[in-house]
Amino acid sequence: GAVVSQHPSWVICKSGTSVKIECRSLDFQATTMFWYRQFPKQSLMLMATSNEGSKATYEQGVEKDKFLINHASLTLSTLTVTSAHPEDSSFYICSAYTSESSYEQYFGPGTRLTVT
Amino acid sequence: KQEVTQIPAALSVPEGENLVLNCSFTDSAIYNLQWFRQDPGKGLTSLLLIQSSQREQTSGRLNASLDKSSGRSTLYIAASQPGDSATYLCAVEGGATNKLIFGTGTLLAVQP
Repeated sequence: GAVVSQHPSWVICKSGTSVKIECRSLDFQATTMFWYRQFPKQSLMLMATSNEGSKATYEQGVEKDKFLINHASLTLSTLTVTSAHPEDSSFYICSAYTSESSYEQYFGPGTRLTVT
Repeated sequence: KQEVTQIPAALSVPEGENLVLNCSFTDSAIYNLQWFRQDPGKGLTSLLLIQSSQREQTSGRLNASLDKSSGRSTLYIAASQPGDSATYLCAVEGGATNKLIFGTGTLLAVQP
C-alpha cells in the first residue's frame, strides 16, 4: 500500500525559532499534499493544499507567512512554522493524494510540535 | 460550508457488544466518505472509503453505510474488542479540490 512518512515525529523548539516538517510519499508520486493541524482532543483542521510546482492554497484563517509550504517535487512537501509561539504547539499531519489512488488520501504518522 | 458532526462524542461498551457510530454532513454533494481510526498520539488509519455512488462497504467486522441524500453515514462494529478502543473519525470529500472535511470524532472505549 501507499506509504507516507513525516519527519521529525516530534520536535521541541524555543519561542521565536522556526521549525521545518517534511512529508514524503515513499512509493508513489503525489500530485497533491495536504497539511492538517490537530489540537488536543479535537479533530483535524485542514491548513493548506499543496500542489507540486505551484503555490499552496491556504484555508481561511491560516497565516501563509507563518506556515510556509513548499512542494518542490512529487514526493516531498515541507511545512515550515516560522517564529513559532507556544500556541503553535500542535500535532501536524500531512496526507498525499494521487489521481491513481481512487480518490483516497494517504496520511503520514504526524509530527508533534511543542514550542516552549 | 460543509460541516461534519459525529455522535456520540464518546462511547464506552463492554467487550463483545455490537455498536454503531454516526456521522452526519450538511452538504450532500460529496465525492466520497471515509472512516478513520486514530490511536492516542498517532496518525490516521484508513478503515473504509465509500464512493458517492455506493451504499456501503465492509471490511472484516466493520461495515460502513452511506445515505448521501440524508447526509448520513454509520460505522457498524461487530463483536467489539478492547483493541478497537480509539477515536473514530469520519471525513467527507467534495468539490474539485479533493479536500477532506473531518468530523468531530467519537472516542470509543471497549471494556474487557
